[in-house]
Amino acid sequence: EAGVAQSPRYKIIEKRQSVAFWCNPISGHATLYWYQQILGQGPKLLIQFQNNGVVDDSQLPKDRFSAERLKGVDSTLKIQPAKLEDSAVYLCASSLDRGANVLTFGAGSRLTVL
Amino acid sequence: AQSVTQLDSQVPVFEEAPVELRCNYSSSVSVYLFWYVQYPNQGLQLLLKYLSGSTLVKGINGFEAEFNKSQTSFHLRKPSVHISDTAEYFCAVSDPGTASKLTFGTGTRLQVTL
Repeated sequence: EAGVAQSPRYKIIEKRQSVAFWCNPISGHATLYWYQQILGQGPKLLIQFQNNGVVDDSQLPKDRFSAERLKGVDSTLKIQPAKLEDSAVYLCASSLDRGANVLTFGAGSRLTVL
Repeated sequence: AQSVTQLDSQVPVFEEAPVELRCNYSSSVSVYLFWYVQYPNQGLQLLLKYLSGSTLVKGINGFEAEFNKSQTSFHLRKPSVHISDTAEYFCAVSDPGTASKLTFGTGTRLQVTL
């Protein structure tokens, strides 16, 4: 089966600019996650979707980050305006449902904010 | 709140030598435990998981881990490593009630040399 697709793989922007990342999960996976992985740290959950609804966005900096999964399939994560500390790899993952204990991760989108 | 501690940020080891990567967790309730591996420029891949039952868990690529409730540990071991095992290894924990919501450790870089 095809894996979790993410784009772009790399993005360099200046602070205060905006950026968007796209994720297409494994077909049939109802739950989608966005993780932020800062260099030297483990991934941190930003937001979790179940179909097109948000399950958990408690760690999403809502003043600058937004995410949507309008049709319950692919998802977009946006940052506007970006700060230096947003430099990280943004990982998308999916699972069959919320109770599933195995996540499949994409390769990630590496953001550098200058 | 759950947390995971990986005390070793880097572990250098010679090829064909045994290795143990340490993971300790903090939780007041029962947990699910996971080890994920991240090869350069790739997403995270599940190595093994503990949900219940036997405390010795075997995973892919010859890795195994032992759940020790009294010591709140879930150390990863391999009796003989290969160059291709060079990667970042992440321990993660979740609550069985929200199995897919993972809390990751900071990772351990395994560097295998000849």
